[in-house]
Amino acid sequence: AQSVTQPDIHITVSEGASLELRCNYSYGATPYLFWYVQSPGQGLQLLLKYFSGDTLVQGIKGFEAEFKRSQSSFNLRKPSVHWSDAAEYFCAVVLGGGYNKLIFGAGTRLAVHP
Amino acid sequence: GAGVSQTPSNKVTEKGKYVELRCDPISGHTALYWYRQSLGQGPEFLIYFQGTGAADDSGLPNDRFFAVRPEGSVSTLKIQRTERGDSAVYLCASSLRLAGADTQYFGPGTRLTVL
Repeated sequence: AQSVTQPDIHITVSEGASLELRCNYSYGATPYLFWYVQSPGQGLQLLLKYFSGDTLVQGIKGFEAEFKRSQSSFNLRKPSVHWSDAAEYFCAVVLGGGYNKLIFGAGTRLAVHP
Repeated sequence: GAGVSQTPSNKVTEKGKYVELRCDPISGHTALYWYRQSLGQGPEFLIYFQGTGAADDSGLPNDRFFAVRPEGSVSTLKIQRTERGDSAVYLCASSLRLAGADTQYFGPGTRLTVL
């Protein structure tokens, strides 16, 4: 079935440690790829997106993501996590070709220990 | 400038009642989207508009749900005969155009609780 998979429901890291959140998709063609963050009581905020070109994408708040076509993955990374990064992270795709709705993964909740 | 706004922020209603949820998109954005987020899940698509017309309403769960955007700006999501299963956060987003690569900007959501 076509889907967006975030294998990790909950991740805990120490402040200052590196972070990688995984995202895989199962669609025939490469979709448009997005990462959103949702903090408690806040709306969804776009971190970064990929639709063509350089497969390493830089986003806001020091985040980056790498698109790997061979693995159908779009993993989110940050070299040094801050306590304020604690939030829920959603990977999402848009299929394009007239299908413009975002299809979200189930999310990964990030906790940061001091 | 102002972002996407949604009113009310919280709505508590009784089973069987009718509710309306409002979304004000970013000024100048032609595309508007509604999503629903249940507890512990990612948002799920309901409907999107290009201008005044619903371009895709395939995500509406049944005919109790209806949405309008009569002047191509503000949109209202209407739910008739609410059920407890309708309890969720309803999110609205807008984008400059109806194009796959365009960023969708989200509002803070309306938390609907059906008792």
